[in-house]
Amino acid sequence: AQSVSQHNHHVILSEAASLELGCNYSYGGTVNLFWYVQYPGQHLQLLLKYFSGDPLVKGIKGFEAEFIKSKFSFNLRKPSVQWSDTAEYFCAVTQTGGGNKLTFGTGTQLKVEL
Amino acid sequence: GAVVSQHPSRVICKSGTSVKIECRSLDFQATTMFWYRQFPKQSLMLMATSNEGSKATYEQGVEKDKFLINHASLTLSTLTVTSAHPEDSSFYICSASIARDYNEQFFGPGTRLTVL
Repeated sequence: AQSVSQHNHHVILSEAASLELGCNYSYGGTVNLFWYVQYPGQHLQLLLKYFSGDPLVKGIKGFEAEFIKSKFSFNLRKPSVQWSDTAEYFCAVTQTGGGNKLTFGTGTQLKVEL
Repeated sequence: GAVVSQHPSRVICKSGTSVKIECRSLDFQATTMFWYRQFPKQSLMLMATSNEGSKATYEQGVEKDKFLINHASLTLSTLTVTSAHPEDSSFYICSASIARDYNEQFFGPGTRLTVL
């Protein structure tokens, strides 16, 4: 069974710092990759997704992620975080032919301090 | 667009009672809906996949007689937790997949269930 690992469980940054959250998956076939964000008290929202094509994907709110197939990774980045980016971030994967089932990582709680 | 609602947002019930949670896609037709459970400080775990007009497919370890799922229309799926016990207390989240973009799911706000 596929699994998704997020190595950073809690991250604290100051405003304007750069962000990189790690995500690795364990499936060797064709995958679709997602990053979701959950702001306090709100529902999950899609930040960005990768299905095919350019491995550098740009999402909403200045976030981007890079798919590195050889490393089974899909790390999330933002060059300059804001206080409003405080949230929980989830990496998720579906595998082609897997019935569109999302497997989520354990999440990373990001706190941005003023 | 692509808004998913859940009702109720919070429910408290006594042990042994049944609770129904509704998931609606408000502005699109969802051929597939998913039900997840999220424990505190943990990730979302898929419970079942629900296709309109057919029986739900449950993940391994999820009791189908305990968690009844109905997807009677393209905009509504329900999850009924039968004979609820305190260990069923959790945050239940649904998502819906737009038919034309099968790989993207849109999430509801979740339902906090507390069983006393």
